[in-house]
Amino acid sequence: KNEVEQSPQNLTAQEGEFITINCSYSVGISALHWLQQHPGGGIVSLFMLSSGKKKHGRLIATINIQEKHSSLHITASHPRDSAVYICAVVPNSGGSNYKLTFGKGTLLTVNP
Amino acid sequence: NAGVTQTPKFRILKIGQSMTLQCAQDMNHNYMYWYRQDPGMGLKLIYYSVGAGITDKGEVPNGYNVSRSTTEDFPLRLELAAPSQTSVYFCASSPTGISPLHFGNGTRLTVT
Repeated sequence: KNEVEQSPQNLTAQEGEFITINCSYSVGISALHWLQQHPGGGIVSLFMLSSGKKKHGRLIATINIQEKHSSLHITASHPRDSAVYICAVVPNSGGSNYKLTFGKGTLLTVNP
Repeated sequence: NAGVTQTPKFRILKIGQSMTLQCAQDMNHNYMYWYRQDPGMGLKLIYYSVGAGITDKGEVPNGYNVSRSTTEDFPLRLELAAPSQTSVYFCASSPTGISPLHFGNGTRLTVT
């Protein structure tokens, strides 16, 4: 069974701090998604990656396929980054978004 | 572009009632998905569609039905609502099976 574990479950930071959220999974994958969900709000796709690293503004996502691990980094964190960050993986078997397994999310709170 | 539009935003149903959650996208995406999100749990796939006229069950389809008569619309039907269907429902779309997801803003449903 494919399992996706995120750590930490909850994270509180001060504005300006460097943030790291981790995602580990148990099976071979075709791709990994990072999503952002603001409180009471919708879900936004941040990254989809299958190797290496991607960067968008202050957000960086990395993946190590051999170690079955991905990290989401936020540089110079800001209160508006406060949200739940969700990792989801597309397993090799099937290999499509309709086979996605989601983590439970990491709640990030950035205090001013 | 409006992206993915879900209606209604909130709904309270009595046990045994029926309703349809609407989802429409204007991006000409072939793939569409319905998820439910329960507190402390990862998103679970209810149904998905890979194109007009084609639908299939996801992980938790019991108590729900879908149709996909056009590329744009993917309504989710709840028949005989039960308290276990109290959840937040998200519709999403993607252009291909492995590509970033576009989510609607969600429908918060309470069944009492």
